[in-house]
Amino acid sequence: DGGITQSPKYLFRKEGQNVTLSCEQNLNHDAMYWYRQDPGQGLRLIYYSQIVNDFQKGDIAEGYSVSREKKESFPLTVTSAQKNPTAFYLCASSTARQNEQFFGPGTRLTVL
Amino acid sequence: GQNIDQPTEMTATEGAIVQINCTYQTSGFNGLFWYQQHAGEAPTFLSYNVLDGLEEKGRFSSFLSRSKGYSYLLLKELQMKDSASYLCAVRASKNQGGKLIFGQGTELSVKP
Repeated sequence: DGGITQSPKYLFRKEGQNVTLSCEQNLNHDAMYWYRQDPGQGLRLIYYSQIVNDFQKGDIAEGYSVSREKKESFPLTVTSAQKNPTAFYLCASSTARQNEQFFGPGTRLTVL
Repeated sequence: GQNIDQPTEMTATEGAIVQINCTYQTSGFNGLFWYQQHAGEAPTFLSYNVLDGLEEKGRFSSFLSRSKGYSYLLLKELQMKDSASYLCAVRASKNQGGKLIFGQGTELSVKP
């Protein structure tokens, strides 16, 4: 079955700790994206990558970092510099034509 | 700036028809998407419009007018399972990485 996996579904961390959220896809998609969703709000783009070893900042990149060493993987690190890290994080991927983004199941991060 | 507007919430009756509007002002345009998102889950793709007109897919239809910066999603024969958030998203032009800009979402409640 092709798709996007994110793990874990729920993640708890103490304030001041860095945490890395995983995103893996076996759809052979070139582009991958990270979004953040807060209650009652739309998705906001954190980072995106169009090809391996390249990525660009989205609208709210401060306090986050990413890497794209493999086509299948696009992990997101939430650093201690992110002031309000508690949120629902969604990873997505698309083909080079970018006609549709497919979303993973999401990770709900709670920082205590 | 980039702005996507849609109503925050709507209520409709089972079996009825509902229209969810979306207006947008973006610096570039390369397509408009509608996604459905149930609470706590990932968005799922519903429709894509890049040319003016109506796209029909079963009970769901989506309309686009690029000159007016306007789209709507039409849901017919509403079912209880259609209760969800509906997200309108505009794809920026290719030279901006094809990234999606999302509206805040419209929370639809379907009542018996």
